[in-house]
Amino acid sequence: NAGVTQTPKFRILKIGQSMTLQCTQDMNHNYMYWYRQDPGMGLKLIYYSVGAGITDKGEVPNGYNVSRSTTEDFPLRLELAAPSQTSVYFCASRRTEAFFGQGTRLTVV
Amino acid sequence: QQQVKQSPQSLIVQKGGISIINCAYENTAFDYFPWYQQFPGKGPALLIAIRPDVSEKKEGRFTISFNKSAKQFSLHIMDSQPGDSATYFCAASRESYNTDKLIFGTGTRLQVFP
Repeated sequence: NAGVTQTPKFRILKIGQSMTLQCTQDMNHNYMYWYRQDPGMGLKLIYYSVGAGITDKGEVPNGYNVSRSTTEDFPLRLELAAPSQTSVYFCASRRTEAFFGQGTRLTVV
Repeated sequence: QQQVKQSPQSLIVQKGGISIINCAYENTAFDYFPWYQQFPGKGPALLIAIRPDVSEKKEGRFTISFNKSAKQFSLHIMDSQPGDSATYFCAASRESYNTDKLIFGTGTRLQVFP
């Protein structure tokens, strides 16, 4: 069982570049989430989705965009990367229990 | 009202001791309270969860105590082991709402020394 798969695992971006973090799940979960985790800090909710075609902002959405065209996929788009977006990004899906991907470690230099 | 406050930030326990992590919430609409365990370089994984209709839930060495009137819940790890060394997150959500968000506490880094 694949569960929640995130790609890439690591990425270094230059300031001003853009990229998409991919997230896919094979558990047919309606709810999907993107969190960021800064060193020594908790999980901050960026965006979430309750089903295909429906997305909403979390606590820290600025600088990010998402789309949810299918139940399986929930990509996170970073436009004009900034050093403040250096973090570890986790995607999760849930029905009740949340399942997390392995994370994407992003460094913006 | 959406916050979940977690303490302590870090905890050092000797092997065999009891580890206790506390969380408090304000939103009385929360009705699902999970604890997640995260090892370095990995995503969080569900450890144990409780709903407000019970005051305690035990799974092996892990117990959640829930105090609805005080709006607090805690994780107790009995006979703590070095393999329990990880970061622990409490969380809360409103299961009865279709647009619920899973809100996490700030995490507790637990170190268990032999």
